Formats: sequence, C-alpha cells, structure tokens
Amino acid sequence: EPEVTQTPSHQVTQMGQEVILRCVPISNHLYFYWYRQILGQKVEFLVSFYNNEISEKSEIFDDQFSVERPDGSNFTLKIRSTKLEDSAMYFCASGRLAGGYNEQFFGPGTRLTVL
Amino acid sequence: DAKTTQPTSMDCAEGRAANLPCNHSTISGNEYVYWYRQIHSQGPQYIIHGLKNNETNEMASLIITEDRKSSTLILPHATLRDTAVYYCIVRGVAAGNKLTFGGGTRVLVKP
Repeated sequence: EPEVTQTPSHQVTQMGQEVILRCVPISNHLYFYWYRQILGQKVEFLVSFYNNEISEKSEIFDDQFSVERPDGSNFTLKIRSTKLEDSAMYFCASGRLAGGYNEQFFGPGTRLTVL
Repeated sequence: DAKTTQPTSMDCAEGRAANLPCNHSTISGNEYVYWYRQIHSQGPQYIIHGLKNNETNEMASLIITEDRKSSTLILPHATLRDTAVYYCIVRGVAAGNKLTFGGGTRVLVKP
C-alpha cells in the first residue's frame, strides 16, 4: 500500500540554523500539506500546496518558513533560522482529488529538536 | 478553532465495541465529518468520513444523526492496538481544505 514517507525521522539543530525537512508524498496525489505538533499540544496546520504554489497558510507559517516541490516527487519544508519554539513533530500529508472528497494521508513525522 | 466537541477520554474493554461521540452543531450543508486517529506520536491516520448517510469500512462505522449535529464512531471489536487519540473533524468538500484538529478523545483499550 502506498504511503507518505518523511526524512529524517529525527533532526537536532542549533538555534539560528536552517533545516530542511523532506517528504515523499503518494505518487498520484496532487495536494500536499505540512502540519506540526508541539509536544503535548494539538496538531496544527501550517501550509497547503497545489499546482506548485501555496494555496493556504496559517499564521504560524511566517517568512521563516518556505515549501518547495523541487523535482516532482519530493516536497520540502525549510525553516530558515530555527527558534527554540520550532521544536515539534512535523507531519507531511498528501491528498488525491477524487470524487469530491479528499482524505489526507500522513507521513510518520520528523521530530525537530532545536537546542 | 475546531468546530467539534468530543469527550476528553474514555476507556473500553478489549473485544467490546467502542462508541465515540462527537458534537458538531454548527456543521454546514457541504461539510463532511472526518475521523482520524493518532497512535502515540505517529502521524494521524484516516479512519472514515461521511456527509449524511451512515458509513462503514474495514476499520469502523460512522453513524450521523439525521440533523447532522452529532455523530458516533464505532469500533466494533476494540483491540489493544486501537488505543489512540481519536479526532472528529468537520471539513469542507474542496480538496485543498485543511484539517483542523481539536483535542480529540483519548481512548484506552484495556484487557
């Protein structure tokens, strides 16, 4: 069964450093998402991406964040200058367009730890 | 903010049915009810969704009231592996719509 994959599973970085989190969505999916979950808190939407552009973003997704689909298979989230409060699980999700509904399939997540 | 209300937690006996309620009194006509679950710190897992008819798949059944203001997710024979946080989410039909997660119901299946 196809699944969303994410790398790395755990990333440790120093405050102020740039990080890139990588995702490989399910191959025939057209919609891509990033969510995050700070330890003990709710899963929060960050951004959605379709047709090579951002379709929606949350207030969390400020100028420090960017997304890219560089090669037609990978979907990346870049944080330019990490802060302590960026420590969280980051989940990638993808969805197909079928029948007027669109369940999202989530990857296993990348745990980002900012020191 | 999430447009649903769920109990914070519930216990269930292994092998018994687990009935998880959800209130969504402000749901609009074109919004679906989705259920996801999250086992420990894994990525959320899609379970089922519905608009107004009851739905069943290999994982669960979804019962939606006639006025659509509430629904119940039924896990017919709960196993220990069903221990998770279960999220009831109301979402529009457009493919790009984000999922807005609330606190969910923490379900503990006990032997």
